[in-house]
Amino acid sequence: DFVMTQSPDSLAVSLGERATINCRSSQSVLYRFDNKNYLAWYQQKPGQPPKLLIYWASTRESGVPDRFSGSGSGTDFTLTISSLQPEDVAVYYCQQYYDSPKTFGQGTKVEIK
Amino acid sequence: EVPLVESGGGLVQPGGSLRLSCAASGFTFRRTWMHWVRQAPGKGLVWVARISPDGGRREYADSVEGRFTISRDNDENTVDLQMNSLRAEDTAIYYCVRDNSYFDSWGQGTLVTVSS
Repeated sequence: DFVMTQSPDSLAVSLGERATINCRSSQSVLYRFDNKNYLAWYQQKPGQPPKLLIYWASTRESGVPDRFSGSGSGTDFTLTISSLQPEDVAVYYCQQYYDSPKTFGQGTKVEIK
Repeated sequence: EVPLVESGGGLVQPGGSLRLSCAASGFTFRRTWMHWVRQAPGKGLVWVARISPDGGRREYADSVEGRFTISRDNDENTVDLQMNSLRAEDTAIYYCVRDNSYFDSWGQGTLVTVSS
């Protein structure tokens, strides 16, 4: 199985500042035949189900604010919140969907400093 | 519109059984892989099981293999999870999830508590 490792486990960022979350896969999730990275990011607020934020490593889901961006390729990926807002307090998960089982990272908790 | 609605959770004793159900709407259910993902209290997301569009292929996490069975009814647009021989470590919120390669739609979840 693919092992997804996120860092850090938690971070506290001041309002309006940048938040950066890293995700590393134990194997490459870049599929050479379509040159796509099979990597998604989800946001989970307290008491709510996860919500898809980004897929194909860098494509924002419809309705997701453009302060959220994804980057990276192969085994190393980053989710960036360019200017943290109060409503961004949540746990963020990366997931590979290159192969079954479609495994998740352990999650990164983002709080306001 | 909420396209996925789970039901069937509750309190069950260790060794007992429970059947979860997920009602889908608003998309072509019969063409879609469906999954169950769970989340223990205060913990992360863990994939549990998946089923192919025609129901002919089913896969399970090692932790539930042989105890849980996923099934679907493409006429009723439902996907179920039969859980037998339940253990305390199965306590979690169980989410029904739509597969679009990535998981683009999640139900609200149903809580399963295994305790005596």
